[in-house]
This record gives sequence, C-alpha cells and structure tokens, in this order.
Amino acid sequence: NAGVTQTPKFQVLKTGQSMTLQCAQDMNHNSMYWYRQDPGMGLRLIYYSASEGTTDKGEVPNGYNVSRLNKREFSLRLESAAPSQTSVYFCASSVTGQLYEQYFGPGTRLTVT
Amino acid sequence: RKEVEQDPGPFNVPEGATVAFNCTYSNSASQSFFWYRQDCRKEPKLLMSVYSSGNEDGRFTAQLNRASQYISLLIRDSKLSDSATYLCVVNPPGGSYIPTFGRGTSLIVHP
Repeated sequence: NAGVTQTPKFQVLKTGQSMTLQCAQDMNHNSMYWYRQDPGMGLRLIYYSASEGTTDKGEVPNGYNVSRLNKREFSLRLESAAPSQTSVYFCASSVTGQLYEQYFGPGTRLTVT
Repeated sequence: RKEVEQDPGPFNVPEGATVAFNCTYSNSASQSFFWYRQDCRKEPKLLMSVYSSGNEDGRFTAQLNRASQYISLLIRDSKLSDSATYLCVVNPPGGSYIPTFGRGTSLIVHP
C-alpha cells in the first residue's frame, strides 16, 4: 500500500516549457487535490477533484490545468512555465466529506528558470 | 480576518518542556479539525484529529473550543524529534470539499 505517489520528485524547467506532474493514490479515495507551498505562504489549493469526472478551481488555478484520469490518478499540467511557478507541489487525497483527513504525496520540487 | 490563523513562531523550547499552540478559525459552522505535522522539506502528515470532547495521543493533547473558535495542541515532555511545523486544518460546513490550512507554527526543541 504505497498511499499517494508523485512523479517526478524534482524538475527544472526553462520559462515557457510545459510539463505534467503525476499523482496516483491506492487508497480508493474519491477526492484528490493539488497544492503548492511557498515559503511564508502556507499550502495553497490549485485545483481539486471531489470525485472521478469532476474538477474545480482552487485558490490559485491560473497557469495550471488538471485531469482526473480515473479514480486513482490526478495530473497537474503547466502549459507554459513561469518563474512564479517555482514551488513545491503536493498532491493529496481523501475520502469525500467534511469529516475526513487528507493524505499527502512526497511532493515535487519545481524550479523554473 | 483570515479563515485559519496560527502564530508562526518559532517556539524555541528545551527538551522536556511543555508547549502549546493555538489556532483560531473564522467559520463558526466548521465541521472538523485536524493537526498535521510537517518536517522540513517533507509532506504534511496527519498528527491527530480534534474531537469536541478533546483527545489525547501519548504526549499530545488536542482541544476544541467552539465558543471561542479555536483549537489547541499541547505537547508534553518535548523531544528533539518533535521539532517540526504544526499545521492546523479546518474543514468547512456544507458541500465544499476544501479544507483550510493554517500557515503553520514552527517548533524547535533544543537539548
């Protein structure tokens, strides 16, 4: 039982390049989330998927797109990377509903030069 | 007022000390509450849920005060390994599935 996995662990991009961050969970959770974490800013929600087939914007969606590929997988795409997107990206999953905690992946450290 | 507020610290305490953190929230109808621990350059991990009646897990005690809209985390007999950032998380009422994270309180336990 791996929990939540993310790939890659590290990535360096040049401005304007694109890339997709992958996330998968094996806990049969309905809800999945993408966050970014910057120093002094805390965790900020980019997009979330309450259930398979649905996605919604979070607090900071600009510059990102997501795909809920199936119940297990939720990917985050940067179409044209910008230095402001340099951050640590965490994927998380949870049972759907207000009473349940989230489980996080190990994160992807992205640098855009 | 921010939805979830925490004192960023750092709280700098000696081994063996007792330390407490508070976290205030603005939505009085919030449904559930959690404390997460985040080590440097790692992902947040659930430390404990916070129940209405308060709950304890070893050296850690969590309390909820709905009247004053805050939750607290008490750590007794601090260990060096307790050094981390502690994040408070509040789940909103209604149909939103978006938990609200505080920015975290940094704890440094020194010998």
